[in-house]
Amino acid sequence: QKEVEQDPGPLSVPEGAIVSLNCTYSNSAFQYFMWYRQYSRKGPELLMYTYSSGNKEDGRFTAQVDKSSKYISLFIRDSQPSDSATYLCAVNTDKLIFGTGTRLQVFP
Amino acid sequence: DTGVSQDPRHKITKRGQNVTFRCDPISEHNRLYWYRQTLGQGPEFLTYFQNEAQLEKSRLLSDRFSAERPKGSFSTLEIQRTEQGDSAMYLCASSPRPGQGDTGELFFGEGSRLTVL
Repeated sequence: QKEVEQDPGPLSVPEGAIVSLNCTYSNSAFQYFMWYRQYSRKGPELLMYTYSSGNKEDGRFTAQVDKSSKYISLFIRDSQPSDSATYLCAVNTDKLIFGTGTRLQVFP
Repeated sequence: DTGVSQDPRHKITKRGQNVTFRCDPISEHNRLYWYRQTLGQGPEFLTYFQNEAQLEKSRLLSDRFSAERPKGSFSTLEIQRTEQGDSAMYLCASSPRPGQGDTGELFFGEGSRLTVL
């Protein structure tokens, strides 16, 4: 079993839609959870960071962690074409362990 | 711009040749990481350094791969006797020393794309 599992998509939605991206992880000891965004031919960049369980909101983005079910979510409200990218969930030990990434396409 | 810099951005080589990639981290960052990313996959951890010390190597890092970080500044990743399966994007990242408000965020470069023919 992979340490972090993520549906690779692709996911295609119209502009303005609410997007839900999800991951599961295997090790209950993980405490730090991150979402990175990666545009085509670029390196990943940090989008959201959450410690332990709970929600964190930043503008149109909300990150959610449910440690009881080992589930990580990212919600994007009012999605824009500029949100089209690959979204990578990650858990942090002394290094980052990434999921496979979900490719998102937001069309006008 | 003082971000992570990688060179070359793209390398095409023939099977069996050696290649070397260079990474210049953000100057005040003590930790430096190498990842490999293939199409449709997330980055896979290869190795990381704390200053000049290589602290961990993944089992993915076969004996044809070697990484160095002399003097704790820039790092090189060398692949000897390249194989077609080595074709990938090689990403370098850096982060501040843990304990200095460390969130664990890694700052990535734009990657070095390797194509082995």
